[in-house]
Amino acid sequence: SQQGEEDPQALSIQEGENATMNCSYKTSINNLQWYRQNSGRGLVHLILIRSNEREKHSGRLRVTLDTSKKSSSLLITASRAADTASYFCATDASKEYGNKLVFGAGTILRVKS
Amino acid sequence: DVKVTQSSRYLVKRTGEKVFLECVQDMDHENMFWYRQDPGLGLRLIYFSYDVKMKEKGDIPEGYSVSREKKERFSLILESASTNQTSMYLCASSLYSYEQYFGPGTRLTVT
Repeated sequence: SQQGEEDPQALSIQEGENATMNCSYKTSINNLQWYRQNSGRGLVHLILIRSNEREKHSGRLRVTLDTSKKSSSLLITASRAADTASYFCATDASKEYGNKLVFGAGTILRVKS
Repeated sequence: DVKVTQSSRYLVKRTGEKVFLECVQDMDHENMFWYRQDPGLGLRLIYFSYDVKMKEKGDIPEGYSVSREKKERFSLILESASTNQTSMYLCASSLYSYEQYFGPGTRLTVT
């Protein structure tokens, strides 16, 4: 069952602009993670935010988490052409062993130079 | 630097063939995962393993099996490949409940 749902499905912006992607989920979680995927490649982990955190920064990335609304957003500031990729949120709601993640369908970001 | 490698980037098999996809990680991670990725559907978990010889079904295990005889290696097996198993297959590993590290993917075409 798909838990994370990203919005928008696709986003096209100019270099230097900010890009915001949103993710909604359905059940309580341990943490929420964002990943990037360049065309035809594997996913790369960007940032992890725990359920008791509200905001986290990493370089040009800012992630917020609102557990009352079951939603998260990823902001990329001062975007570059190299940020062109698909972005996925993934939720970890594991109760026992392992950290099974449930991924959304992703947002395709295109940054035009 | 964590490295997850997959045995092939591209693979073409015929319907009914038995297919093995191999994944190896070099960071002593307990957890390993197999996903398939299809356009518009995101990543869907096929199987995962949290220890040697331990395996758990994911969301779409039908038509697949797995093997984990050694900690660093996790194999995905398609017992009798079918055209609806044409997809991108991604392997990942993780330590405890932290981020997952992905391999480059295997694009499998079943004709």
